[in-house]
Amino acid sequence: AQSVTQPDIHITVSEGASLELRCNYSYGATPYLFWYVQSPGQGLQLLLKYFSGDTLVQGIKGFEAEFKRSQSSFNLRKPSVHWSDAAEYFCAVGARTGANNLFFGTGTRLTVIP
Amino acid sequence: NAGVTQTPKFQVLKTGQSMTLQCAQDMNHNSMYWYRQDPGMGLRLIYYSASEGTTDKGEVPNGYNVSRLNKREFSLRLESAAPSQTSVYFCASTTPRGLPSYEQYFGPGTRLTVT
Repeated sequence: AQSVTQPDIHITVSEGASLELRCNYSYGATPYLFWYVQSPGQGLQLLLKYFSGDTLVQGIKGFEAEFKRSQSSFNLRKPSVHWSDAAEYFCAVGARTGANNLFFGTGTRLTVIP
Repeated sequence: NAGVTQTPKFQVLKTGQSMTLQCAQDMNHNSMYWYRQDPGMGLRLIYYSASEGTTDKGEVPNGYNVSRLNKREFSLRLESAAPSQTSVYFCASTTPRGLPSYEQYFGPGTRLTVT
């Protein structure tokens, strides 16, 4: 069965510092991989996605993520965090066959200190 | 182009009451989804509709029913609300698999409280 683990429930970083949010997945084959961001009281917005090809993918708002098949990981990174990045971040995996369902991790809440 | 819209935004119900959450998308997407979001549990799939005329259970379907009214609309019904159904509900839609855009697009959510 598919599962997604985001081991960090809450991360606090200073504005301007670098950021890495961890995501590990369990799946029988290479899934589709996504990172979503949710600002308080809002819906989810797609940051980036990996389908195939280059394992380093670029997204919106200066985020990037790297797919590492050997580690079953898809970690999200940003070199310099802005106060507006404070939000909750969700990693998700989708099957390449069957219905277009996504399985979400439990999320990582990011706090940015001025 | 409004994307995915949901009504209502907020709702308070008493235990045993019923209600329907409405969702509509104007992106000509085939697949639609209902999730619930609870603190510390991420998003869990309640029901989905892979295409017009079909619906299937997700991870947590108990206590809910759905109707895919047409290609645009997908409603979620609580027949007899329980406090355990207090949650934030999100509707989402996606383009068919095989096209470049596979990600799900989310509505703004409905915050439901059952007392």
